[in-house]
Amino acid sequence: AQKVTQAQTEISVVEKEDVTLDCVYETRDTTYYLFWYKQPPSGELVFLIRRNSFDEQNEISGRYSWNFQKSTSSFNFTITASQVVDSAVYFCALSVDFGNEKLTFGTGTRLTIIP
Amino acid sequence: ETGVTQSPTHLIKTRGQQVTLRCSSQSGHNTVSWYQQALGQGPQFIFQYYREEENGRGNFPPRFSGLQFPNYSSELNVNALELDDSALYLCASSSGQGGPGNTIYFGEGSWLTVV
Repeated sequence: AQKVTQAQTEISVVEKEDVTLDCVYETRDTTYYLFWYKQPPSGELVFLIRRNSFDEQNEISGRYSWNFQKSTSSFNFTITASQVVDSAVYFCALSVDFGNEKLTFGTGTRLTIIP
Repeated sequence: ETGVTQSPTHLIKTRGQQVTLRCSSQSGHNTVSWYQQALGQGPQFIFQYYREEENGRGNFPPRFSGLQFPNYSSELNVNALELDDSALYLCASSSGQGGPGNTIYFGEGSWLTVV
């Protein structure tokens, strides 16, 4: 069975601070995919990144960066110089090679950026 | 804008009634999935349709059923509504072959309240 743990339920930081959201996953599969989604109050899940299990390179996209470490089964997300618009709930998700696209989500981290 | 549209956006139903939620996938996407997100939780996979066939199902009872049409739009039907069915129902689409690892785009969801 697959499991995603986001231990941080809520985080608040002052604008312009850096913040890291943690994600730990569990799977016995060797081929899997990891995702991060942002959910603003409107409810829509906004895709941020997809990473497969064979690509451990870290990725940077503007103020966003992701650190994938298979040794610790973690896929952490860092926002640099946070902005009020970053306030949302962030979900980490896992998909394995079962022949369908089922995503297993964590319980999410509510991030509040204080102006 | 993900191109995934859902209707209705909000609805209230009485326990025991039936509900149909609709989803138009992004143009060119042949795979549609449905998720249930209870308040304060991560989305839970209900089922996936690939080229009009169910292609994976989560741990939901048979009263949750679905359809995918030739134009790849989809419906989620829930019979004999229970209070615990109150949630945000999210539709997601992708252009893969029904398997894992594709970028999955979500709609804004349908907020269902059962009273």
